[in-house]
Amino acid sequence: EIVLTQSPGTLSLSPGERATLSCRASQSVSSSYLAWYQQKPGQAPRLLIYGASSRATGIPDRFSGSGSGTDFTLTISRLEPEDFAVYYCQQYGSSPLYSFGQGTKLEIK
Amino acid sequence: QVQLQESGPGLVKPSETLSLTCAVSGYSISSGYYWGWIRQPPGKGLEWIGSIYHSGSTYYNPSLKSRVTISVDTSKNQFSLKLSSVTAADTAVYYCARRAYGSGSTWFDPWGQGTLVTVSS
Repeated sequence: EIVLTQSPGTLSLSPGERATLSCRASQSVSSSYLAWYQQKPGQAPRLLIYGASSRATGIPDRFSGSGSGTDFTLTISRLEPEDFAVYYCQQYGSSPLYSFGQGTKLEIK
Repeated sequence: QVQLQESGPGLVKPSETLSLTCAVSGYSISSGYYWGWIRQPPGKGLEWIGSIYHSGSTYYNPSLKSRVTISVDTSKNQFSLKLSSVTAADTAVYYCARRAYGSGSTWFDPWGQGTLVTVSS
């Protein structure tokens, strides 16, 4: 079973700052099968990144994804007020077929 | 524009069966894609429950497999979740979502708005 561990659990930053969120897998994950989601309170998750580095339709270019193997990163270059939310990484391919990290909460400092 | 909408009882008694339906609009399920269920206990993270293809092929999370049944009704353009022998640990917001794919990648998009199911007597 692949376990995805996200760090930090909570990240406190100010608008305009750069955010770097980490997702580490217990076993190697194909880059093709690593996605990132944003979730705001009371809302469903929203796809941000698929294939580790491809932005979903309509996602601003301040969001970028990178990484391979067991280490993946979501970077938000300049935080906007609407970016404060919880972020999840997700893998596909190993039992269970899909699994999510526990999430990183990005909060306003 | 593809839209998904969950429906079903918001309260289920312990040991009973949780039943939810996801109605799909803007896309015909019989045209393809896998369709899935994901849940989120209050204040916690996301857990994939299972997925179904329009043909009826299913994949389940091993941790829930013994209690889960996902089915599809292409005539109504919807798919359903049944989770048996529920306990308080099954209290969660249940989401349905389409498993999309392209460029050699796969992801869940779009998602339904989610429905809270509480297990309590």
